[in-house]
Amino acid sequence: KNEVEQSPQNLTAQEGEFITINCSYSVGISALHWLQQHPGGGIVSLFMLSSGKKKHGRLIATINIQEKHSSLHITASHPRDSAVYICAAQIGNTPLVFGKGTRLSVIA
Amino acid sequence: DTAVSQTPKYLVTQMGNDKSIKCEQNLGHDTMYWYKQDSKKFLKIMFSYNNKELIINETVPNRFSPKSPDKAHLNLHINSLELGDSAVYFCASSPEGVGRTEAFFGQGTRLTVV
Repeated sequence: KNEVEQSPQNLTAQEGEFITINCSYSVGISALHWLQQHPGGGIVSLFMLSSGKKKHGRLIATINIQEKHSSLHITASHPRDSAVYICAAQIGNTPLVFGKGTRLSVIA
Repeated sequence: DTAVSQTPKYLVTQMGNDKSIKCEQNLGHDTMYWYKQDSKKFLKIMFSYNNKELIINETVPNRFSPKSPDKAHLNLHINSLELGDSAVYFCASSPEGVGRTEAFFGQGTRLTVV
């Protein structure tokens, strides 16, 4: 059974700080997803990656398949980045297994 | 235009009632999903349909029945609602099979059973 663990659970940062959210999983996966859930509840898919690194604006996602670990980085954080960030692991065609989320608050 | 739209956004109903949540996507995607987010904000998949065919049916009570009249719609019917059904339900779609591509989520339906 694949377990997905995220850390930290809660994170408060000052505007401009570099932020890292970590995600570890217990079995081999085919892909890892990062999602963002806004305070209003809406969910947006940020990245899907199976190797290496992806970048979109100030967001960077990396994955290390051997170590079964992924990180989501936010550069030059801004209060509008405040949200819950969720990682989800994919094994073949089985359902996504979600982490419990990291609640990020960025203070101006 | 909203890519994945769910209605209603909020639903308050009494125990024992039957209710439906509708989901439509205008992205031309083949795969649609229903997820449940509990009070602890934990997301869990309920169902997945690919081209109107049920692909994934997790251990969800029989009171929950998805219906896909066409590829663009996946509705969720819930019979005999219970207090424990209170949650936020998210519909999503993706271009290809389960987990192969990024998913697009609806805004969620907050169901409160009283």
